[in-house]
Amino acid sequence: GQNIDQPTEMTATEGAIVQINCTYQTSGFNGLFWYQQHAGEAPTFLSYNVLDGLEEKGRFSSFLSRSKGYSYLLLKELQMKDSASYLCALDNYGQNFVFGPGTRLSVLP
Amino acid sequence: GAVVSQHPSRVICKSGTSVKIECRSLDFQATTMFWYRQFPKQSLMLMATSNEGSKATYEQGVEKDKFLINHASLTLSTLTVTSAHPEDSSFYICSASDGTRSSNTIYFGEGSWLTVV
Repeated sequence: GQNIDQPTEMTATEGAIVQINCTYQTSGFNGLFWYQQHAGEAPTFLSYNVLDGLEEKGRFSSFLSRSKGYSYLLLKELQMKDSASYLCALDNYGQNFVFGPGTRLSVLP
Repeated sequence: GAVVSQHPSRVICKSGTSVKIECRSLDFQATTMFWYRQFPKQSLMLMATSNEGSKATYEQGVEKDKFLINHASLTLSTLTVTSAHPEDSSFYICSASDGTRSSNTIYFGEGSWLTVV
């Protein structure tokens, strides 16, 4: 089976940097997704890591270490609109996704 | 614009009735569609995987006779919640893939809020 863990809630200040961690146990996967989800809305794609290392996209970066079973999403220059849930998900070779429990981020002024 | 359309976005139904939710891929052929359920403040839980022209594959614990999934064409999958009960009230969301296994070709619908009263 697969098991994914994320912190339940995090709080950060506008303009700051926050790192959201995702740890997992799995026998294999194709890649790891990060999604942003505002309450009551569909998830929005943020990043997809297949290889180990850091992928940077503007204010958002995502890191993957397969050997450590670990990923993180780094958000820089936080804005109020970044208050949302952040979900990591394992891509089972395109067959389905397994989502982590999600981290609810609150950005304070 | 949206490439996967889900309808209705909100529905209220009486306990014991059935309700159908549609998921359409608008500009690509979706060989595989996924149905998820999400309770408040929880993550998305995969309910079933539906492949066009074949029976859906349900996740453990999901009643296939209660949650009927039909994927009759490459652009449409439907989820019917039969004999709905208040505990079925949830956010239901579909996603669709064109089968190319690329990170950019998996799209989510807008989601459907179901309230059973």
